[in-house]
Amino acid sequence: KNQVEQSPQSLIILEGKNCTLQCNYTVSPFSNLRWYKQDTGRGPVSLTIMTFSENTKSNGRYTATLDADTKQSSLHITASQLSDSASYICVVSGSSNTGKLIFGQGTTLQVKP
Amino acid sequence: NAGVTQTPKFRVLKTGQSMTLLCAQDMNHEYMYWYRQDPGMGLRLIHYSVGEGTTAKGEVPDGYNVSRLKKQNFLLGLESAAPSQTSVYFCASRGQGKETQYFGPGTRLLVL
Repeated sequence: KNQVEQSPQSLIILEGKNCTLQCNYTVSPFSNLRWYKQDTGRGPVSLTIMTFSENTKSNGRYTATLDADTKQSSLHITASQLSDSASYICVVSGSSNTGKLIFGQGTTLQVKP
Repeated sequence: NAGVTQTPKFRVLKTGQSMTLLCAQDMNHEYMYWYRQDPGMGLRLIHYSVGEGTTAKGEVPDGYNVSRLKKQNFLLGLESAAPSQTSVYFCASRGQGKETQYFGPGTRLLVL
């Protein structure tokens, strides 16, 4: 069964600290993996997208990695800010023209001052 | 560009009532999607459309209907609401040949 599992479920860190969120997937065939940020009460917004051949992608203080062999991805946030408080969702796409996505349950990050 | 907009933002229904959620996008996107988001679960696809006049079932289509009469609009209907349909509903759209889906702000629905 195609699944995307994220850990931890929730995380609290102090402002300025770094953190890493994990994503494991069992989706096959695999097309790409994206990380979305979802602020409370808002829709998800794309942070990064990686295809099978890419193993790292950065977007400002966000760096995503992908190991297609072990089917694992991570999202590293550097020098966290209060505005990073949100849910981070790992999303995997199989090979499909419809663009159907499989969503993880998300990691809720709270950055405290 | 307004991007993807959803109407209404919040609604309370009684069991058995019907309603329609409206999604509109001004990016000329071919693909549109309706998802529901429940606590502790990832977003789940309800229905989607690959173009004007076409619709298809997603992962959890039961109890919902959709229509795509105009390219910019994607309507989600609940004919007879049930408490299990209490959720946050998100619409998304994607351009032809593009990978990124753009999401609306969501509609929070409570069915009593």
